[in-house]
Amino acid sequence: GNSVTQMEGPVTLSEEAFLTINCTYTATGYPSLFWYVQYPGEGLQLLLKATKADDKGSNKGFEATYRKETTSFHLEKGSVQVSDSAVYFCALSDSNAGKSTFGDGTTLTVKP
Amino acid sequence: GAGVSQSPSNKVTEKGKDVELRCDPISGHTALYWYRQSLGQGLEFLIYFQGNSAPDKSGLPSDRFSAERTGGSVSTLTIQRTQQEDSAVYLCASSLASESYNEQFFGPGTRLTVL
Repeated sequence: GNSVTQMEGPVTLSEEAFLTINCTYTATGYPSLFWYVQYPGEGLQLLLKATKADDKGSNKGFEATYRKETTSFHLEKGSVQVSDSAVYFCALSDSNAGKSTFGDGTTLTVKP
Repeated sequence: GAGVSQSPSNKVTEKGKDVELRCDPISGHTALYWYRQSLGQGLEFLIYFQGNSAPDKSGLPSDRFSAERTGGSVSTLTIQRTQQEDSAVYLCASSLASESYNEQFFGPGTRLTVL
């Protein structure tokens, strides 16, 4: 079956530090890949997505590239802000099934 | 426009009682999903509806859990004879269709506490 493994947290960084949250996946088909974010007290929302190999998703300074050869979709940001403190979830959606598979989430805390 | 709404936002119940959780998806979204998020855990898929097709119930943890979707819109997740391990945040999401590239829009969740 499909699975998503993402970097365990929590992750604590200082403002303006570089962020990487690793995500690898296992899927039988050709999935679409997503990063969702859950800010404190809010619901999950889409951060970025990529639907085919070598696509790069980007939003709010975050980027992730769909790497089929390494089955990875690592999230990166060059300079984090305190407002980026949240829980980040990597997810995949398989074209052969409607449901998505989510990772366990990584809690990011950015300190001023 | 209106997003996905869920009610109640919080539910405290006694072990053994039945509970119903409601989800109102975004108008026009044909796909609807239920997930469970336990403390410190990721999202656990429960069930998904797509249009008039038979729902995918493969994630329901036991026969105490059931869900229905009336008229292709509102959905209700029912948990019978609740147990303490059912305590979690129950999330509903909807999307335009079930194609893999469609993002899911999540509701705020219902926090269920079983005493």
